[in-house]
Amino acid sequence: EAGVAQSPRYKIIEKRQSVAFWCNPISGHATLYWYQQILGQGPKLLIQFQNNGVVDDSQLPKDRFSAERLKGVDSTLKIQPAKLEDSAVYLCASSFRDRELDTQYFGPGTRLTVL
Amino acid sequence: GDSVTQMEGPVTLSEEAFLTINCTYTATGYPSLFWYVQYPGEGLQLLLKATKADDKGSNKGFEATYRKETTSFHLEKGSVQVSDSAVYFCALSVGNQGGKLIFGQGTELSVKP
Repeated sequence: EAGVAQSPRYKIIEKRQSVAFWCNPISGHATLYWYQQILGQGPKLLIQFQNNGVVDDSQLPKDRFSAERLKGVDSTLKIQPAKLEDSAVYLCASSFRDRELDTQYFGPGTRLTVL
Repeated sequence: GDSVTQMEGPVTLSEEAFLTINCTYTATGYPSLFWYVQYPGEGLQLLLKATKADDKGSNKGFEATYRKETTSFHLEKGSVQVSDSAVYFCALSVGNQGGKLIFGQGTELSVKP
C-alpha cells in the first residue's frame, strides 16, 4: 500500500514570496490533515478536511495561508506572502475517517526555509 | 485548552539501558493517548496508543499505561537498542474534535553502543 506522498521535499524562498505544497493521501482515506512543525516543537494542526469539506481551520493564518482539496483526494497548501516565521516542516497526514481512533498516517513532510 | 507536556531532551542512553520518557496531559474531555516516533529521515509513525484509563499500549517492546489519576502516559522500554534512536512524540486526541492530534514538543533519544 502506497503511503502519503508529499512534494516538494525541500523548498527555499525569500520572504514575501509565495509557495505551494502538494499532498496525495492514502487511497480511500477520507480525512486529510495539514500540520506545521516548527523546529524543536511538536506538530500543530493547521487544517483538516473530511472529503473535500473543511472540518477545522481554526489555527490556519487565513491572511496568508490557504488550502484546498477540490476532488476530495489530493490537497494543496499555499502560503502567500511568506514570512520568516513560516520556516518549518509541513506535514500531511491522512486517516480512513475523522474518528479519534483512526490511525493517522504521515507523509515525509516538506521542509520550508524562508530567508 | 488541551495540551501535552513531555520531558525535555535529548536523552542519551547506552544500549540495553532502561528507558522512560515522561508525558503528562491536560484535556477537557476523555482523550485517547498516543506515542508517535520519527526515525531519522522518515515520517512520523504511530508507535502505540491507549483509549481509556488503565489501558496499556504496547509495540516493539515499548509500553505506556494511561493513568487518569496522574494525567500521565509515560513511555517505557526495558532494554533499548541503537535502532531505537529517534524523536518520540506524545499526543492526545479528544473524541469530539474530529480526530485532531495535539502533540507534545518531542523528546530526542540517542542510544550509544
